[in-house]
Formats: sequence, structure tokens, C-alpha cells
Amino acid sequence: QQQVKQSPQSLIVQKGGISIINCAYENTAFDYFPWYQQFPGKGPALLIAIRPDVSEKKEGRFTISFNKSAKQFSLHIMDSQPGDSATYFCAASSGGFKTIFGAGTRLFVKA
Amino acid sequence: ETGVTQTPRHLVMGMTNKKSLKCEQHLGHNAMYWYKQSAKKPLELMFVYSLEERVENNSVPSRFSPECPNSSHLFLHLHTLQPEDSALYLCASSQGGRLYDGYTFGSGTRLTVV
Repeated sequence: QQQVKQSPQSLIVQKGGISIINCAYENTAFDYFPWYQQFPGKGPALLIAIRPDVSEKKEGRFTISFNKSAKQFSLHIMDSQPGDSATYFCAASSGGFKTIFGAGTRLFVKA
Repeated sequence: ETGVTQTPRHLVMGMTNKKSLKCEQHLGHNAMYWYKQSAKKPLELMFVYSLEERVENNSVPSRFSPECPNSSHLFLHLHTLQPEDSALYLCASSQGGRLYDGYTFGSGTRLTVV
């Protein structure tokens, strides 16, 4: 019940295309869903986050879609660029100090 | 210097060695974390310190020993490690009372146990 399942494991997208990464969770107590971006040799960095009281949040080319009834959320990267090539982690938290991370998606954007 | 700084960046140690990883944060945060990152696996929470008190210990073997002398510094002391302990060890910090701010991670220490 504490898992966050992330898919796909890897993704190749053409420059200008849309990258979509999906996550699913079981624990309905989760109330904060961040996405982290990690470049090689760096730690993960907070990219965008959503709370379950909204169904969508957009920041520039990055959008989180949230489906509370299905217990799923996804990251959409519009107009994907080679500089977006990185590993993306979804996560979920219910307060306190525990955040549960997905296994990560390695995105490669072809020029 | 701002952010979360981890040293060393790379570490190779034998199974009988003792070494320490260091983390320092300059963000004024009051919670600090150690995570283990292995290939194709979710980030594994190891330890959490809030206001210098350990609040989480996620069934980590005793060969890993954390220390938090103050709210800006966190150490991970290592001894008699196993080859399967080879991984990227990430330190993170957060403002514990503000759930929606997320974590700030350091760049990690790449540990290889030989």
C-alpha cells in the first residue's frame, strides 16, 4: 500500500513531441504528489507538484494531471527538448517525513 | 555556498574499511535525510533527522550509522560494508513543517564497495 508504481521505465521521444509518464498509488492518505527531475551526476530536483484538490497543474511546458478516483497521476512534457533528457521520479507523501518514490523513468529526447 | 553539499563525490572502500559521508545544507531547513539510490529501484529512505533528533530509521543495517550534530550537518558513518551496499547515497533537506515545499537534494556520493 506504500508503493508508487511508475511507468514506463524508459521513454524515447522526438524533439517537439509530448512525453508522458504515469504513476499509480494505493494509499488514499497521500496528499502531496511531487515530480523530481534528475540529470546524470546530480541529485533529483523538484520539478512540479500537485495536491489532490486540483485535477491539473501547469508550469511552462510541464503539466501534472491528477485522477483522484483512479489514484493515478501523470506528467506531460509538451514540446519535448533534448535538454529534457533526464530521469524523472514521481513521488507521494502524506505528511510527516516519509515520501515514497517511484522507480524512475529515463527519458531520452531525440534531436 | 547555497543548497545541499555532499562530500566526497566518489568513494571506493574495502569491506573492512571505515569511512564517513558528509552532508551540509545552507537553506535553514530543519529536517535532513539520507536516501540510497540503486539502479532501476525507487529511492530508499534510510534515516530522517528533524531538529537534530532521529525520527525515522528504515530498518537499515547497523553497518550504517548516522549522526546529526546540528541542523546544518549530517553524517553517514560506514563500516564493514558489503558489495551490495554500492550505490549513490543522497542527502536531502526540507523545512519539516511545510509539507508542500518538497526536498532539496545534494548531488550524492557514489559509493563502491570492493
